[in-house]
Amino acid sequence: ETGVTQTPRHLVMGMTNKKSLKCEQHLGHNAMYWYKQSAKKPLELMFVYNFKEQTENNSVPSRFSPECPNSSHLFLHLHTLQPEDSALYLCASSQQQGNGNTIYFGEGSWLTVV
Amino acid sequence: DAKTTQPPSMDCAEGRAANLPCNHSTISGNEYVYWYRQIHSQGPQYIIHGLKNNETNEMASLIITEDRKSSTLILPHATLRDTAVYYCIVRVNTGTASKLTFGTGTRLQVTL
Repeated sequence: ETGVTQTPRHLVMGMTNKKSLKCEQHLGHNAMYWYKQSAKKPLELMFVYNFKEQTENNSVPSRFSPECPNSSHLFLHLHTLQPEDSALYLCASSQQQGNGNTIYFGEGSWLTVV
Repeated sequence: DAKTTQPPSMDCAEGRAANLPCNHSTISGNEYVYWYRQIHSQGPQYIIHGLKNNETNEMASLIITEDRKSSTLILPHATLRDTAVYYCIVRVNTGTASKLTFGTGTRLQVTL
């Protein structure tokens, strides 16, 4: 238990569906992240939020739409995805307090696009 | 962030110490060395981090060379549950929100 909870753990969606992944952190952190891990590839950073403001978008296609309503919650809205978007999506959080702040990950949401 | 180099795979017998090396020859003075591991189908788990001095916690020890160009993660008594991919990452705080850049890591296989 890392204090970062992701739901759902598994999601199967069609290419025309709209779905959302949810992340909640119980650590009092002020920065949250979305990472993507495709099969046999390193983790890729997608988005970074700091104090609810997006500070990084790593050239992610617009079919992925993040939302950060407060420092504890992060969503990833999905629409018109492609089969190659099937992957493990990981949420993480950290506390900004200078060098050495540790990032903690959730267990991930396995997404299959059919 | 500086790039790291790790062996793609290692084996270790259960009960023995697992020593996982990492080269980070271009590390900057304000970059920390972080270690995470990822057990199959789970999110990465934080293990330990350090700047200059050696560090130890309940999971592992981190030995950083004096010139900081390399480090070793030591699992003192490896168990089957330590089988995972281990990532060595060097990281600086950007001032807005820090991030981790993952490589391909070392796949550690602990055997009986």
